[in-house]
Amino acid sequence: GAVVSQHPSRVICKSGTSVKIECRSLDFQATTMFWYRQFPKQSLMLMATSNEGSKATYEQGVEKDKFLINHASLTLSTLTVTSAHPEDSSFYICSANDRGRRATEAFFGQGTRLTVV
Amino acid sequence: GQSLEQPSEVTAVEGAIVQINCTYQTSGFYGLSWYQQHDGGAPTFLSYNALDGLEETGRFSSFLSRSDSYGYLLLQELQMKDSASYFCAVIRGSQGNLIFGKGTKLSVKP
Repeated sequence: GAVVSQHPSRVICKSGTSVKIECRSLDFQATTMFWYRQFPKQSLMLMATSNEGSKATYEQGVEKDKFLINHASLTLSTLTVTSAHPEDSSFYICSANDRGRRATEAFFGQGTRLTVV
Repeated sequence: GQSLEQPSEVTAVEGAIVQINCTYQTSGFYGLSWYQQHDGGAPTFLSYNALDGLEETGRFSSFLSRSDSYGYLLLQELQMKDSASYFCAVIRGSQGNLIFGKGTKLSVKP
């Protein structure tokens, strides 16, 4: 149990276009999901906390108008990178906490490697 | 500010024991977690400490000292498949927000 599916796994897009990444909890309900960004050989940086039915909470320095987050249901959160630029190229990973379990164990999606050309 | 410090690389041989240390300084603290990540993969949960002391889960153990803002992950009976990056992460809030350290790349040699 506790599987998080993230789609797509890889995407290449042109500068100026937008890309949507989906994060789904397959066998549990997630009131809270998180979005991280990871550069090669570096740590995961928390971008935002996504709460079902409410606005996301963004970390300091993360542009909310550039990284749009929608948590429309208890099993789906989406991250849209708007007007993508090459510097947005990165590995984006979501995680979710099972509302039926303690919030101390996060379940991660497989990540999305975004390349902006 | 928020910072978590851990060694960048560790090398050990199969069957050995290795300890990965983590010191932290964060604005909120609910506990310290450890995650394993293989190249190109997703992080997977290993262990969690909310209170001082040792938590044991199979070959992996984790320790926390809140007064020292310090913890470690202990890996015993190392196997080749343990070669991966290991991240300590502070749970900053009640929702489970994770602040990650920079990661320790563990290489297990035959």
